Amino acid sequence: EAQVTQNPRYLITVTGKKLTVTCSQNMNHEYMSWYRQDPGLGLRQIYYSMNVEVTDKGDVPEGYKVSRKEKRNFPLILESPSPNQTSLYFCASSLFNTGELFFGEGSRLTVL
Amino acid sequence: GQQVMQIPQYQHVQEGEDFTTYCNSSTTLSNIQWYKQRPGGHPVFLIQLVKSGEVKKQKRLTFQFGEAKKNSSLHITATQTTDVGTYFCAGPPGAQKLVFGQGTRLTINP
Repeated sequence: EAQVTQNPRYLITVTGKKLTVTCSQNMNHEYMSWYRQDPGLGLRQIYYSMNVEVTDKGDVPEGYKVSRKEKRNFPLILESPSPNQTSLYFCASSLFNTGELFFGEGSRLTVL
Repeated sequence: GQQVMQIPQYQHVQEGEDFTTYCNSSTTLSNIQWYKQRPGGHPVFLIQLVKSGEVKKQKRLTFQFGEAKKNSSLHITATQTTDVGTYFCAGPPGAQKLVFGQGTRLTINP
């Protein structure tokens, strides 16, 4: 089954404790992206990747890092989480950068 | 910067009433996509429009792409409780990536 898998789905952590949200897709998609969703603000792009070893900042990259060492994986790293990073995070992938996006089920992160 | 604006932000209707959400871009879009996110769920692709003036239908849903390829609309006829959710438009103002509208959250009174 074609899917985008994110883990963890839910996480409560404390300020400053590094965490990684993993994202994996099994569709051989070139393009992958991370979004955060906050009430009233829609989906805002954090980082995206056009291909292996090619990543770029989205609209709200501050406080986040990503890597794309393999085509299928695109982890989101919060080196020192802060409460303003409490949000619902979605990973998505598509065949190319402006194609239909397939979303993961989301990761709800709370930073205390 | 390049933006995709969507209105209204919220819409509450009685079951059976029609619903429309509008999407506008400051620049010409090569395509427009629509997504639906059910409460507690993730966005799911509905459709993509590519041609100027294009109209596509999916049962009670009608999607339009403007002649200038700067605006789009989604119209739902005779809403049902299964239509509840947030509807997003997304377009690539430049060549790099999709930009999402803020979404329209639809609630329905049964």
